[in-house]
Amino acid sequence: DTAVSQTPKYLVTQMGNDKSIKCEQNLGHDTMYWYKQDSKKFLKIMFSYNNKELIINETVPNRFSPKSPDKAHLNLHINSLELGDSAVYFCASSETSGGLFYEQYFGPGTRLTVT
Amino acid sequence: RKEVEQDPGPFNVPEGATVAFNCTYSNSASQSFFWYRQDCRKEPKLLMSVYSSGNEDGRFTAQLNRASQYISLLIRDSKLSDSATYLCVVNNQAGTALIFGKGTTLSVSS
Repeated sequence: DTAVSQTPKYLVTQMGNDKSIKCEQNLGHDTMYWYKQDSKKFLKIMFSYNNKELIINETVPNRFSPKSPDKAHLNLHINSLELGDSAVYFCASSETSGGLFYEQYFGPGTRLTVT
Repeated sequence: RKEVEQDPGPFNVPEGATVAFNCTYSNSASQSFFWYRQDCRKEPKLLMSVYSSGNEDGRFTAQLNRASQYISLLIRDSKLSDSATYLCVVNNQAGTALIFGKGTTLSVSS
């Protein structure tokens, strides 16, 4: 069974379009995350959700909006896609407790290409 | 100082070599430390957590120096399969997320 799954694996779209990436975890974790890994391979946190509440929101454009219908899902919606949004987007989940972090499990990534 | 800094490498070593990576972090109050491994075009995976007393897992040894705010990873008897990017990870100042370093690339050759 896949612990953290993402769909789609590849996404090619044109500038200006709106797209969504879905993420699901079956580990029962209380926190889920979205990361962006750009062409320079730098993995940067975008959002995290803890028990269905957004607890951090890094300085990402408001064209990006995370949506969590329940504890096991954290989807990422992107409006008005731009060339600079091309990257690999990883979903992850983990347990957190009292400010301590435990192992984060990552999904396989979604490779987004904006043309 | 950046939140997490690593030497990007690449480190090119022969099989059987011992190689060490260092990482520095800026938040003196950090409590959570990890080394992750990322293979090309794959997701990051936990290699090992880093504990205050240092810890070992087979050929891998991790050390934490809180006074100097650095973390190290030692790989002994390198294998071809160790070729990957190694990511140093520390929790952020707010204690709300993990911050990943840019990674150190290791290439082991026969």
